[in-house]
Amino acid sequence: EVQLVESGGGLVKPGGSLRLSCAASGFAFNNYAMNWVRQAAGKGLEWLSSISASSSFTDYATSVRGRFTISRDNAKNSLYLQMNSLRAEDTALYYCARDPGGYYGSGTYLQYWGQGILVTVSS
Amino acid sequence: QSVLTQPPSVSGAPGQRVTISCIGSSSNTGAGYDVHWYQQLPGTAPKLLIYGNTHRPSGVPERFSGSKSGTSASLAITGLQAEDEAHYFCQSYDRSLSVVFGGGTKLTVL
Repeated sequence: EVQLVESGGGLVKPGGSLRLSCAASGFAFNNYAMNWVRQAAGKGLEWLSSISASSSFTDYATSVRGRFTISRDNAKNSLYLQMNSLRAEDTALYYCARDPGGYYGSGTYLQYWGQGILVTVSS
Repeated sequence: QSVLTQPPSVSGAPGQRVTISCIGSSSNTGAGYDVHWYQQLPGTAPKLLIYGNTHRPSGVPERFSGSKSGTSASLAITGLQAEDEAHYFCQSYDRSLSVVFGGGTKLTVL
């Protein structure tokens, strides 16, 4: 069974940093591209970032480019999102999600999702 | 303002058929990129419902179907059940913006 479990969320002050983790199990993690998606309370879904299976390629939404960094450790079956210069508008539930293949792109869809982790940016 | 446009809400009585539209533009759905649909039950993570415009993952009932034509896509739910009450999101790919979502549609079963 595919499982994705996010961790590392919490309360952080504006301008602060946080690193989210996503522990994957139940599939060959090193064969799949991965994504981060967030959802503010009562709002829609916002794609944030994708990373290819081998970490060769990454992509970011305009709203987080230059502030967030996606990475992965295939030896640890883990996905990460380093979030710097956090703003109040970054407050949301953050999901990691698996792509159907090894490369993200025009064929990307979110095949499996974690349960989400809450990030709150407030002074 | 979402890149893909969905109606904020739809409703239907048990047993009825409802459809949810998802309208994009020439840089995403109109460029031939596939549309995918997700169901988000209250308090839970989204779940893949339809991928590649028309395909159902295993375990998704045949009551759910997808279609796409030009810049528009639709999700149809037949034989509406109380458990279908949820938010539904469409998703595609955009030449400039990468992965894009619709704003979501809340389905109410009357």
